[in-house]
Amino acid sequence: NAGVTQTPKFRVLKTGQSMTLLCAQDMNHEYMYWYRQDPGMGLRLIHYSVGEGTTAKGEVPDGYNVSRLKKQNFLLGLESAAPSQTSVYFCASSYSSLAQETQYFGPGTRLLVL
Amino acid sequence: AQKVTQAQTEISVVEKEDVTLDCVYETRDTTYYLFWYKQPPSGELVFLIRRNSFDEQNEISGRYSWNFQKSTSSFNFTITASQVVDSAVYFCALSEGRGSTLGRLYFGRGTQLTVWP
Repeated sequence: NAGVTQTPKFRVLKTGQSMTLLCAQDMNHEYMYWYRQDPGMGLRLIHYSVGEGTTAKGEVPDGYNVSRLKKQNFLLGLESAAPSQTSVYFCASSYSSLAQETQYFGPGTRLLVL
Repeated sequence: AQKVTQAQTEISVVEKEDVTLDCVYETRDTTYYLFWYKQPPSGELVFLIRRNSFDEQNEISGRYSWNFQKSTSSFNFTITASQVVDSAVYFCALSEGRGSTLGRLYFGRGTQLTVWP
């Protein structure tokens, strides 16, 4: 099992450009999450999905959109990138939404917006 | 307000020293779960341990041990005889057991541990 994978690993964008980050998991997990990690801030939840075709906002959703067309994939889109979106993005998945479920993380995507 | 506080931003120790990473949490739920994750220099997040609010027994796994104290809302992590490979950022996280926050992880800001040879 590959677990949770993310593509790309690293990307540089100019302000105003758009891009999509792809997250894939092969653990048949229902729940998937996108976080961003900024220096000294820990991880903050952007959006999450409770199942195929459903998404919800997290703590810092502005400037991002997501889609979950297939159970194993969760896409994070930036329509018009801004320097404030320079960050490391982590995708995670869990079997259910229950509080005791461990979230398993992908390797991260480093995004630099110039 | 931060639900999870890791007051130590950076800690440096010399190899073979013991080190404790502090984690203080805040919740009104009686059912909750606490987690520790490790983020080595390579960047990935590695799950270390999960603890539920009803189990206050200390946990030991090799050189790692965790001390959960509900009375002080703390879930501290101790590394015994630290090694250079332990150098990483360590995150404590909280998941609450009910309501709209079900399953959502709240992370602390992390503690950067550097172990010098």
